[in-house]
Amino acid sequence: AQSVTQLGSHVSVSEGALVLLRCNYSSSVPPYLFWYVQYPNQGLQLLLKYTSAATLVKGINGFEAEFKKSETSFHLTKPSAHMSDAAEYFCAVSEGTSYDKVIFGPGTSLSVIP
Amino acid sequence: GAVVSQHPSWVICKSGTSVKIECRSLDFQATTMFWYRQFPKQSLMLMATSNEGSKATYEQGVEKDKFLINHASLTLSTLTVTSAHPEDSSFYICSAFDSGRAINEQFFGPGTRLTVL
Repeated sequence: AQSVTQLGSHVSVSEGALVLLRCNYSSSVPPYLFWYVQYPNQGLQLLLKYTSAATLVKGINGFEAEFKKSETSFHLTKPSAHMSDAAEYFCAVSEGTSYDKVIFGPGTSLSVIP
Repeated sequence: GAVVSQHPSWVICKSGTSVKIECRSLDFQATTMFWYRQFPKQSLMLMATSNEGSKATYEQGVEKDKFLINHASLTLSTLTVTSAHPEDSSFYICSAFDSGRAINEQFFGPGTRLTVL
């Protein structure tokens, strides 16, 4: 069974600083991996996804993530934080088959300090 | 493209009543939809997988008689919370796969806030 852990339920960074949100997964088969962002009282927006192509995945809003099989990690980064990046971030995994269910991590709340 | 809507966006009901939440894929067909619930400050918990034309598959611990799911068409799935109680108050989010896409990607609705008094 798949599972996702996110180290740090809350991360705080200064505006302009590097953003690093950690995600580790467990899967018995090659996974598909996702990062989603959620703003208060809204649904989820896909930031980026890994689907067994390039290990470094670039997403929207300047975010990127690197798939490291040896570390079973898929950490999310952004070189320079913006105030608008403050939100809840979820890492998610699926088994990579079409229409398979997606399991979400517990989430990391990102605060950006001006 | 790939827009998913939910209706209503919020609902308040009395304890003991039933509430229906709709999830629609507006510009694509979805043979598979998922229903999640999210408590405040928590992650999304998968409740069930909704397949068009067949019975839903419920996750362990989710009462299928309490959370009725119907996926009668390729663009609509409904979740009915029967005999709602205050502990059912939550944020319910649906997602849908675009049957025409090869890559596994869900599109999420904006969510429905349910408050049971």
